[in-house]
Amino acid sequence: DTEVTQTPKHLVMGMTNKKSLKCEQHMGHRAMYWYKQKAKKPPELMFVYSYEKLSINESVPSRFSPECPNSSLLNLHLHALQPEDSALYLCASSQEGRAPDTQYFGPGTRLTVL
Amino acid sequence: KQEVTQIPAALSVPEGENLVLNCSFTDSAIYNLQWFRQDPGKGLTSLLLIQSSQREQTSGRLNASLDKSSGRSTLYIAASQPGDSATYLCAVQGGSEKLVFGKGTKLTVNP
Repeated sequence: DTEVTQTPKHLVMGMTNKKSLKCEQHMGHRAMYWYKQKAKKPPELMFVYSYEKLSINESVPSRFSPECPNSSLLNLHLHALQPEDSALYLCASSQEGRAPDTQYFGPGTRLTVL
Repeated sequence: KQEVTQIPAALSVPEGENLVLNCSFTDSAIYNLQWFRQDPGKGLTSLLLIQSSQREQTSGRLNASLDKSSGRSTLYIAASQPGDSATYLCAVQGGSEKLVFGKGTKLTVNP
């Protein structure tokens, strides 16, 4: 199984809502990633978890809160988002989280903030 | 700071044509280079990964080459098909977990 799954596929939320994005992998990978991708732009790294510990936070606003409950699961909690946060949110995983390492991407969650 | 550039930004070709997509990077101290495909509104599909010690990788009609010293990679697609239409992203991995992406080449293969 070389699949990374993400739910939901689409999410529409208001600026006062609280919602969560979920990512799951069963490849035994120990590193998981959140990326944000705006239209016609490349993905931008947000967070990296390695062995369930946050190892990289790319100066992401606190309205995005990641959580890694176990090595297979990664959540992104959303609160008080802005319309400019509308984007495709991609999750990825890799074996160790140390270069060189192949990252496998999920299909993404399309987020719209009204 | 690593920068990745992809040329051209968009490419339109007739079906059956062979084509080359280009990727260049500024810092040659990389561990690997990866080519991805992205369909509109979808996630990334890994096509080929070339380790820094390798010169090329092949998968079906796809061939990727790497010249680390000159900071260049090419993705060659043979006998293109309409189903190859997508955006192709190049990404390099240096000394950390981070992937640095180019802006992509949007390929359209016309029937």
